[in-house]
Amino acid sequence: GESVGLHLPTLSVQEGDNSIINCAYSNSASDYFIWYKQESGKGPQFIIDIRSNMDKRQGQRVTVLLNKTVKHLSLQIAATQPGDSAVYFCAESRRSARQLTFGSGTQLTVLP
Amino acid sequence: DGGITQSPKYLFRKEGQNVTLSCEQNLNHDAMYWYRQDPGQGLRLIYYSQIVNDFQKGDIAEGYSVSREKKESFPLTVTSAQKNPTAFYLCASKKGTGDEQYFGPGTRLTVT
Repeated sequence: GESVGLHLPTLSVQEGDNSIINCAYSNSASDYFIWYKQESGKGPQFIIDIRSNMDKRQGQRVTVLLNKTVKHLSLQIAATQPGDSAVYFCAESRRSARQLTFGSGTQLTVLP
Repeated sequence: DGGITQSPKYLFRKEGQNVTLSCEQNLNHDAMYWYRQDPGQGLRLIYYSQIVNDFQKGDIAEGYSVSREKKESFPLTVTSAQKNPTAFYLCASKKGTGDEQYFGPGTRLTVT
């Protein structure tokens, strides 16, 4: 079936470095993509989203890139901080479905 | 303070008992969702509701039931028919015209 998947289950980066978290999706009809951050024992928090009519969107220290040709989504975190350590999920939806389909998540660990 | 509340944070039950998890939102959102999360996994959709007095099954609805009698509330009952009920349960809501889902803090259910 259709699914959203992540390339790497874990990622470790040095504090101050940039982080890149990748996500692949298989549904070419997906028109909305979103990244969530989940700290241990808590609910997911919105980070940034992007629609399929865009290739790039920037927030505070975060950038999401969308490559529709290869069905790939990435989240870039600039100057990674210890507070960025968490699990990051991508999710996608189609307007007709009105549901989000989540990937399995990437555990980001920031090393001192 | 606007947001989504879930109670209790931790819940313990004996096998064979039904248990109801609470989800309340004061964001005036039309749609509400219930997800299940197992360790190291993504979120899987149990049930969702677009409007009051209407709800649809998600991907893993077997062994669960819901009601939507009020816009603010979307309780989830985990019945004894659910074979593996121990999990972290997350409730979310969104505006009718929006795509971003806002999550509650979650309830960790342990059944022994």
